[in-house]
Amino acid sequence: KQEVTQIPAALSVPEGENLVLNCSFTDSAIYNLQWFRQDPGKGLTSLLLIQSSQREQTSGRLNASLDKSSGRSTLYIAASQPGDSATYLCGGDDKIIFGKGTRLHILP
Amino acid sequence: GAVVSQHPSWVICKSGTSVKIECRSLDFQATTMFWYRQFPKQSLMLMATSNEGSKATYEQGVEKDKFLINHASLTLSTLTVTSAHPEDSSFYICSARDRVRGNDQPQHFGDGTRLSIL
Repeated sequence: KQEVTQIPAALSVPEGENLVLNCSFTDSAIYNLQWFRQDPGKGLTSLLLIQSSQREQTSGRLNASLDKSSGRSTLYIAASQPGDSATYLCGGDDKIIFGKGTRLHILP
Repeated sequence: GAVVSQHPSWVICKSGTSVKIECRSLDFQATTMFWYRQFPKQSLMLMATSNEGSKATYEQGVEKDKFLINHASLTLSTLTVTSAHPEDSSFYICSARDRVRGNDQPQHFGDGTRLSIL
């Protein structure tokens, strides 16, 4: 059964810093991997999808990489802003099993 | 882009009431949808897989008679919380993927339904 771990559990940094969020999963047979953000009391917003043939995906200040062999993905956030404050979740394939996420707080 | 819509967004009702939550894929067909539950400050827990035209598949520990799932069309899945009690109060979220366009499509989530049972 897939298990997902995200490190750190919480992160609080000043505005402008570059960040790395980590996601590890136990089943390396994952097909693709998606990163989401969740604002308090809201649903999930898809940020990036790393498709099966890809190792990396970029969108604006966000860059995500995927290493299936090691069961790891990282989300890099450049020049963080207060609006980036949210919980970040990762997961793959159809039946997504989520970890506890990383609660990110960017200090203005 | 593909959008998943949930309705209602907020429900408050008395204990013993049955509550139906709808999940719609607005511009794509979804043969499979997923239902999650999220308690305050916790992560999303997968409850069940909703399959169009067949029975839902429930995760271990989820009571299928308590949480009735119907996926009668390619764009609509419903979750009915039967005889709801205060412990059923939670945030329920559905998701779906446009499989017609291939396996490498993103999973889209609804905005969630906050259920409060008095």
